[in-house]
Amino acid sequence: NAGVTQTPKFRILKIGQSMTLQCAQDMNHNYMYWYRQDPGMGLKLIYYSVGAGITDKGEVPNGYNVSRSTTEDFPLRLELAAPSQTSVYFCASSYQSSGNTIYFGEGSWLTVV
Amino acid sequence: SQKIEQNSEALNIQEGKTATLTCNYTNYSPAYLQWYRQDPGRGPVFLLLIRKNEKEKRKERLKVTFDTTLKQSLFHITASQPADSATYLCAPPQGGSASKIIFGSGTRLSIRP
Repeated sequence: NAGVTQTPKFRILKIGQSMTLQCAQDMNHNYMYWYRQDPGMGLKLIYYSVGAGITDKGEVPNGYNVSRSTTEDFPLRLELAAPSQTSVYFCASSYQSSGNTIYFGEGSWLTVV
Repeated sequence: SQKIEQNSEALNIQEGKTATLTCNYTNYSPAYLQWYRQDPGRGPVFLLLIRKNEKEKRKERLKVTFDTTLKQSLFHITASQPADSATYLCAPPQGGSASKIIFGSGTRLSIRP
């Protein structure tokens, strides 16, 4: 059971480039999340989804886009990368949000130079 | 606005003592609250969940309380061990959406032998 899988693990982007962070879960979870964590700081919710075709903004959505075409996948798109987007990105999922455990991926380290 | 506050300063505890971490929330009343542990470079891992109608929840050496009057949750680790050293995060759902899970900034706990 793979759980939540994120790719890539590490990436260096130049300012203005775009990229997509991939996230897949094999637990048939309907809720999925993207968080970012800056060095020494807490997790900030970027976007979340309660099911295929449904997404909503979190605390810090600017500069990002998401889509949820299937239950399994929840990619995060960075458009026009900026140094402020240098962070660790965590994807997570849960079966339902009302008190169910959130399972996290291993994280994607992104540096924008 | 809705806020979650955890002690931002690190907590240093002698091995064997009880560590107590605090999570305060303001301007809303979550139906439940979760606690997670995060080790450096890793994603958070679920520890305990407590619902608003529960005063206390226990799991082995861990105990969580939830005081809806004080708007506070306390997380206790009894008989602390160096292996308990990590950052501990509280996570209540925010606002009217039970799916919007916001994390506190976390408290870093260090247990010295």
